[in-house]
Amino acid sequence: DAKTTQPTSMDCAEGRAANLPCNHSTISGNEYVYWYRQIHSQGPQYIIHGLKNNETNEMASLIITEDRKSSTLILPHATLRDTAVYYCIVRVLNNDMRFGAGTRLTVKP
Amino acid sequence: GAGVSQSPSNKVTEKGKDVELRCDPISGHTALYWYRQSLGQGLEFLIYFQGNSAPDKSGLPSDRFSAERTGGSVSTLTIQRTQQEDSAVYLCASSLGPSGGETQYFGPGTRLLVL
Repeated sequence: DAKTTQPTSMDCAEGRAANLPCNHSTISGNEYVYWYRQIHSQGPQYIIHGLKNNETNEMASLIITEDRKSSTLILPHATLRDTAVYYCIVRVLNNDMRFGAGTRLTVKP
Repeated sequence: GAGVSQSPSNKVTEKGKDVELRCDPISGHTALYWYRQSLGQGLEFLIYFQGNSAPDKSGLPSDRFSAERTGGSVSTLTIQRTQQEDSAVYLCASSLGPSGGETQYFGPGTRLLVL
Protein backbone atom coordinates (compact mmCIF):
# COMPACT_ATOMS: atom_id res chain seq x y z
CA ASP A 1 0.00 0.00 0.00
CA ALA A 2 1.14 3.53 -0.74
CA LYS A 3 2.56 5.64 2.04
CA THR A 4 0.75 8.78 3.20
CA THR A 5 2.02 12.01 4.67
CA GLN A 6 -0.10 14.15 6.98
CA PRO A 7 0.65 17.15 9.18
CA THR A 8 1.27 16.17 12.77
CA SER A 9 -1.31 18.55 14.19
CA MET A 10 -3.85 21.22 13.26
CA ASP A 11 -6.17 23.58 15.06
CA CYS A 12 -9.59 24.70 13.95
CA ALA A 13 -12.12 27.14 15.41
CA GLU A 14 -15.45 25.68 16.41
CA GLY A 15 -18.05 26.18 13.67
CA ARG A 16 -15.47 26.67 10.94
CA ALA A 17 -14.52 24.16 8.28
CA ALA A 18 -11.61 21.87 9.08
CA ASN A 19 -9.52 20.97 6.04
CA LEU A 20 -7.14 18.09 6.64
CA PRO A 21 -4.60 17.42 3.88
CA CYS A 22 -2.98 14.14 2.94
CA ASN A 23 -0.23 13.44 0.41
CA HIS A 24 -0.09 10.04 -1.25
CA SER A 25 2.15 10.65 -4.25
CA THR A 26 2.92 6.95 -4.80
CA ILE A 27 -0.71 5.85 -4.93
CA SER A 28 -1.48 3.26 -7.58
CA GLY A 29 -4.54 3.00 -9.76
CA ASN A 30 -6.38 0.41 -7.70
CA GLU A 31 -5.78 1.99 -4.30
CA TYR A 32 -8.55 3.74 -2.46
CA VAL A 33 -8.18 6.69 -0.11
CA TYR A 34 -9.74 6.04 3.30
CA TRP A 35 -10.18 8.37 6.24
CA TYR A 36 -10.70 7.26 9.83
CA ARG A 37 -10.58 9.15 13.07
CA GLN A 38 -9.82 8.08 16.60
CA ILE A 39 -11.15 9.91 19.57
CA HIS A 40 -9.17 9.39 22.74
CA SER A 41 -9.54 5.89 24.21
CA GLN A 42 -11.89 4.70 21.47
CA GLY A 43 -11.47 2.47 18.43
CA PRO A 44 -10.99 4.09 15.01
CA GLN A 45 -14.17 5.37 13.40
CA TYR A 46 -14.72 5.18 9.65
CA ILE A 47 -15.40 8.55 8.03
CA ILE A 48 -15.30 8.30 4.26
CA HIS A 49 -13.44 6.78 1.34
CA GLY A 50 -13.04 7.29 -2.39
CA LEU A 51 -11.15 6.17 -5.47
CA LYS A 52 -10.97 9.19 -7.76
CA ASN A 53 -14.23 11.11 -7.55
CA ASN A 54 -15.00 13.50 -4.74
CA GLU A 55 -17.25 12.01 -2.11
CA THR A 56 -19.61 13.44 0.49
CA ASN A 57 -21.53 11.86 3.32
CA GLU A 58 -23.18 13.03 6.51
CA MET A 59 -19.85 13.35 8.26
CA ALA A 60 -17.48 14.88 5.77
CA SER A 61 -16.39 15.53 2.21
CA LEU A 62 -13.39 14.02 0.50
CA ILE A 63 -11.67 15.94 -2.27
CA ILE A 64 -9.17 13.96 -4.35
CA THR A 65 -6.93 15.78 -6.81
CA GLU A 66 -7.14 14.82 -10.45
CA ASP A 67 -3.73 13.14 -10.36
CA ARG A 68 -4.78 11.38 -7.12
CA LYS A 69 -1.50 12.28 -5.44
CA SER A 70 -3.21 14.14 -2.63
CA SER A 71 -6.58 14.54 -0.96
CA THR A 72 -8.33 16.72 1.59
CA LEU A 73 -10.86 15.72 4.19
CA ILE A 74 -13.30 18.51 4.94
CA LEU A 75 -15.39 18.70 8.09
CA PRO A 76 -17.75 21.52 7.09
CA HIS A 77 -18.69 22.81 10.57
CA ALA A 78 -16.26 21.48 13.14
CA THR A 79 -17.48 20.94 16.68
CA LEU A 80 -15.57 20.26 19.87
CA ARG A 81 -16.49 16.58 19.52
CA ASP A 82 -14.52 16.44 16.28
CA THR A 83 -11.28 16.75 18.24
CA ALA A 84 -9.46 13.52 17.37
CA VAL A 85 -6.57 12.00 15.46
CA TYR A 86 -7.45 11.73 11.77
CA TYR A 87 -5.84 9.00 9.69
CA CYS A 88 -5.51 9.00 5.92
CA ILE A 89 -4.89 5.55 4.49
CA VAL A 90 -4.48 4.32 0.95
CA ARG A 91 -5.12 0.68 0.34
CA VAL A 92 -6.26 -1.91 -2.09
CA LEU A 93 -9.59 -3.43 -1.19
CA ASN A 94 -9.29 -6.61 0.84
CA ASN A 95 -6.07 -5.52 2.49
CA ASP A 96 -5.38 -4.63 6.06
CA MET A 97 -5.25 -1.00 7.14
CA ARG A 98 -1.76 0.49 7.45
CA PHE A 99 -2.28 3.42 9.78
CA GLY A 100 0.36 6.13 10.05
CA ALA A 101 0.67 8.70 12.81
CA GLY A 102 -2.26 10.78 11.54
CA THR A 103 -3.14 14.42 12.20
CA ARG A 104 -4.17 15.47 15.65
CA LEU A 105 -7.03 17.95 15.09
CA THR A 106 -7.94 20.20 17.98
CA VAL A 107 -11.19 22.12 17.66
CA LYS A 108 -11.13 25.20 19.84
CA PRO A 109 -14.10 27.17 21.17
CA GLY B 1 -27.41 -3.76 14.31
CA ALA B 2 -24.71 -4.04 16.93
CA GLY B 3 -21.19 -3.04 16.12
CA VAL B 4 -17.98 -4.94 16.75
CA SER B 5 -17.64 -5.87 20.38
CA GLN B 6 -14.53 -6.89 22.28
CA SER B 7 -13.92 -8.35 25.69
CA PRO B 8 -12.57 -7.75 28.18
CA SER B 9 -12.36 -4.00 27.86
CA ASN B 10 -9.37 -3.96 30.19
CA LYS B 11 -6.96 -6.70 31.22
CA VAL B 12 -4.12 -6.53 33.71
CA THR B 13 -1.85 -9.53 33.88
CA GLU B 14 1.51 -10.53 35.21
CA LYS B 15 4.51 -11.11 33.00
CA GLY B 16 4.65 -14.72 31.86
CA LYS B 17 0.92 -15.38 32.04
CA ASP B 18 -1.23 -16.20 29.03
CA VAL B 19 -4.15 -13.99 27.99
CA GLU B 20 -7.11 -14.42 25.65
CA LEU B 21 -8.84 -11.53 23.98
CA ARG B 22 -12.20 -11.94 22.30
CA CYS B 23 -13.78 -10.24 19.31
CA ASP B 24 -17.39 -10.49 18.13
CA PRO B 25 -17.61 -9.06 14.62
CA ILE B 26 -20.65 -7.47 13.03
CA SER B 27 -23.11 -10.15 11.99
CA GLY B 28 -22.62 -11.15 8.38
CA HIS B 29 -19.10 -9.76 8.11
CA THR B 30 -16.79 -12.38 6.66
CA ALA B 31 -13.53 -10.50 7.15
CA LEU B 32 -11.97 -9.97 10.57
CA TYR B 33 -8.76 -8.15 11.47
CA TRP B 34 -6.68 -7.80 14.62
CA TYR B 35 -4.47 -4.78 15.24
CA ARG B 36 -2.60 -3.43 18.21
CA GLN B 37 -1.87 0.14 19.16
CA SER B 38 0.85 1.09 21.57
CA LEU B 39 0.53 4.33 23.52
CA GLY B 40 0.66 7.31 21.17
CA GLN B 41 1.35 5.14 18.13
CA GLY B 42 -0.55 4.20 15.00
CA LEU B 43 -2.16 0.82 14.46
CA GLU B 44 -0.03 -2.23 13.81
CA PHE B 45 -1.62 -5.02 11.76
CA LEU B 46 -1.50 -8.47 13.37
CA ILE B 47 -3.69 -10.97 11.54
CA TYR B 48 -6.53 -11.15 9.00
CA PHE B 49 -9.26 -13.76 8.53
CA GLN B 50 -11.38 -13.95 5.39
CA GLY B 51 -14.14 -16.55 5.32
CA ASN B 52 -12.76 -20.07 5.37
CA SER B 53 -9.43 -19.13 3.82
CA ALA B 54 -6.17 -19.58 5.65
CA PRO B 55 -5.53 -16.46 7.74
CA ASP B 56 -2.90 -13.89 6.87
CA LYS B 57 -0.60 -14.07 9.90
CA SER B 58 2.12 -11.86 8.47
CA GLY B 59 1.76 -9.21 11.16
CA LEU B 60 2.09 -11.42 14.22
CA PRO B 61 5.22 -10.20 16.06
CA SER B 62 6.25 -13.57 17.50
CA ASP B 63 5.14 -17.15 17.91
CA ARG B 64 3.71 -16.23 21.30
CA PHE B 65 0.82 -14.65 19.42
CA SER B 66 -1.91 -16.74 17.81
CA ALA B 67 -5.52 -16.27 16.79
CA GLU B 68 -8.46 -18.42 15.92
CA ARG B 69 -11.79 -17.75 14.35
CA THR B 70 -14.41 -20.36 15.06
CA GLY B 71 -17.43 -20.86 12.86
CA GLY B 72 -16.49 -17.86 10.78
CA SER B 73 -17.62 -15.47 13.48
CA VAL B 74 -16.05 -14.96 16.91
CA SER B 75 -12.29 -14.65 17.08
CA THR B 76 -9.87 -15.12 19.95
CA LEU B 77 -6.39 -13.62 20.06
CA THR B 78 -4.09 -15.47 22.45
CA ILE B 79 -0.82 -14.14 23.79
CA GLN B 80 1.31 -16.71 25.57
CA ARG B 81 3.95 -15.90 28.17
CA THR B 82 3.12 -12.20 28.06
CA GLN B 83 5.90 -9.65 28.18
CA GLN B 84 5.75 -6.02 29.27
CA GLU B 85 6.18 -4.87 25.68
CA ASP B 86 2.89 -6.60 24.85
CA SER B 87 1.09 -3.85 26.76
CA ALA B 88 -1.09 -2.06 24.24
CA VAL B 89 -4.65 -1.63 23.05
CA TYR B 90 -5.71 -4.59 20.92
CA LEU B 91 -8.28 -3.64 18.31
CA CYS B 92 -10.51 -5.87 16.24
CA ALA B 93 -12.23 -4.82 13.03
CA SER B 94 -14.60 -6.53 10.64
CA SER B 95 -15.82 -5.90 7.12
CA LEU B 96 -18.30 -7.42 4.72
CA GLY B 97 -15.56 -9.02 2.69
CA PRO B 98 -14.36 -8.79 -0.88
CA SER B 99 -17.76 -9.11 -2.47
CA GLY B 100 -19.53 -6.57 -0.32
CA GLY B 101 -17.28 -3.62 0.29
CA GLU B 102 -14.19 -3.36 2.37
CA THR B 103 -14.83 -0.60 4.89
CA GLN B 104 -13.54 -1.87 8.22
CA TYR B 105 -15.50 -1.18 11.38
CA PHE B 106 -13.57 -1.22 14.61
CA GLY B 107 -14.43 -2.38 18.09
CA PRO B 108 -13.61 -0.37 21.22
CA GLY B 109 -10.46 -2.38 21.91
CA THR B 110 -9.02 -4.30 24.82
CA ARG B 111 -6.47 -2.45 26.91
CA LEU B 112 -3.82 -4.92 28.01
CA LEU B 113 -1.35 -4.06 30.73
CA VAL B 114 1.41 -6.54 31.52
CA LEU B 115 3.05 -5.89 34.86
